Amino acid sequence: NAGVTQTPKFQVLKTGQSMTLQCAQDMNHEYMSWYRQDPGMGLRLIHYSVGAGITDQGEVPNGYNVSRSTTEDFPLRLLSAAPSQTSVYFCASSYASYNEQFFGPGTRLTVL
Amino acid sequence: AQSVTQLDSQVPVFEEAPVELRCNYSSSVSVYLFWYVQYPNQGLQLLLKYLSGSTLVKGINGFEAEFNKSQTSFHLRKPSVHISDTAEYFCAVSSMDSSYKLIFGSGTRLLVRP
Repeated sequence: NAGVTQTPKFQVLKTGQSMTLQCAQDMNHEYMSWYRQDPGMGLRLIHYSVGAGITDQGEVPNGYNVSRSTTEDFPLRLLSAAPSQTSVYFCASSYASYNEQFFGPGTRLTVL
Repeated sequence: AQSVTQLDSQVPVFEEAPVELRCNYSSSVSVYLFWYVQYPNQGLQLLLKYLSGSTLVKGINGFEAEFNKSQTSFHLRKPSVHISDTAEYFCAVSSMDSSYKLIFGSGTRLLVRP
């Protein structure tokens, strides 16, 4: 099993550009989530999904969109990148929100 | 709202010494508790979890944690640390208060010195 995979590993954007961070899992997990990690702030939940076709907002959803058309994939879209979105982004999956979450390796995003 | 507090942002310790990383949470209901470890430039990996049952939980790499409901704490301990334990450690809580979403603390950087 590959577990949770994320692409790209690194990305540099200019303010106003859009992009999609990819996340995929091969463990047949229903629950998937996106977090951002900033120094001294731990991980904050951006969006999550409890199954295909169902998504909801987390703690810091502004400026991000998600969709879940399949169980395996959960992409995160930045609509118009801002410097405040410079961060490390982690995707995670689990059987349920209160179970152990398996994390991907992360995407380091810099917005200039 | 649910919150998790890790009071120590950094804990320096000498190799083979014991260590305790502190975690306190706010919740009035039953909780699920987790400790994750993040090695440099990697994702998070589960160290241990408390879902129910025995309040002393053993995890990987010789770590253990004790759930104390009266003090709303879930401190992480290891009797003898190694250089390879140098990493960032995150406490996380899930409960009905957060609609079972995982809430993370701000992290504690464990720095093991020779």
